[in-house]
Amino acid sequence: DGGITQSPKYLFRKEGQNVTLSCEQNLNHDAMYWYRQDPGQGLRLIYYSQIVNDFQKGDIAEGYSVSREKKESFPLTVTSAQKNPTAFYLCASRGAGTNEQFFGPGTRLTVL
Amino acid sequence: EDQVTQSPEALRLQEGESSSLNCSYTVSGLRGLFWYRQDPGKGPEFLFTLYSAGEEKEKERLKATLTKKESFLHITAPKPEDSATYLCAVQAGGAQKLVFGQGTRLTINP
Repeated sequence: DGGITQSPKYLFRKEGQNVTLSCEQNLNHDAMYWYRQDPGQGLRLIYYSQIVNDFQKGDIAEGYSVSREKKESFPLTVTSAQKNPTAFYLCASRGAGTNEQFFGPGTRLTVL
Repeated sequence: EDQVTQSPEALRLQEGESSSLNCSYTVSGLRGLFWYRQDPGKGPEFLFTLYSAGEEKEKERLKATLTKKESFLHITAPKPEDSATYLCAVQAGGAQKLVFGQGTRLTINP
């Protein structure tokens, strides 16, 4: 089955800890994205990558970091510098020459 | 600044009662307008892409239309399984990101 997987589904973090959210896709898509979703707000872009070993900041990149060492993988690290990390995190990907972004199932991060 | 506003925030309908959801947008050079469906606790599911005013797309009980300032998602004779949050997003020309509205939460009562 082709698709996007995110893990874990639920993640709990203590204040001051860094955590890494996984995103993997087997759709052979070039571009990958990380969004954050908060209640009552639209999705907001954190980082995106159009090719391996290259990525750009989105609208709310402060306190987050990413890497793109493989085409299939785009992990997101939520650092201790992110002041309000509790949210639903969504990864998406897009194929070359297309405009549609397809989303994974999401990771819900809660800071205790 | 590119903006998307969806209305209403929430809508309750009886099964079989048709209605429309609205997505108003301001964008510098529309590259595409996208509709997604999102179930609670899950990622958005892609529904439609619209590119130019006058375009329409249909899928089962849903039809999306586009004008120069807004898009409508028409739902005809809805069923309880159509209950979900519907998200609208736009992509400006030359931009990578999608700008999302806050969504309309649709509930269909049996």
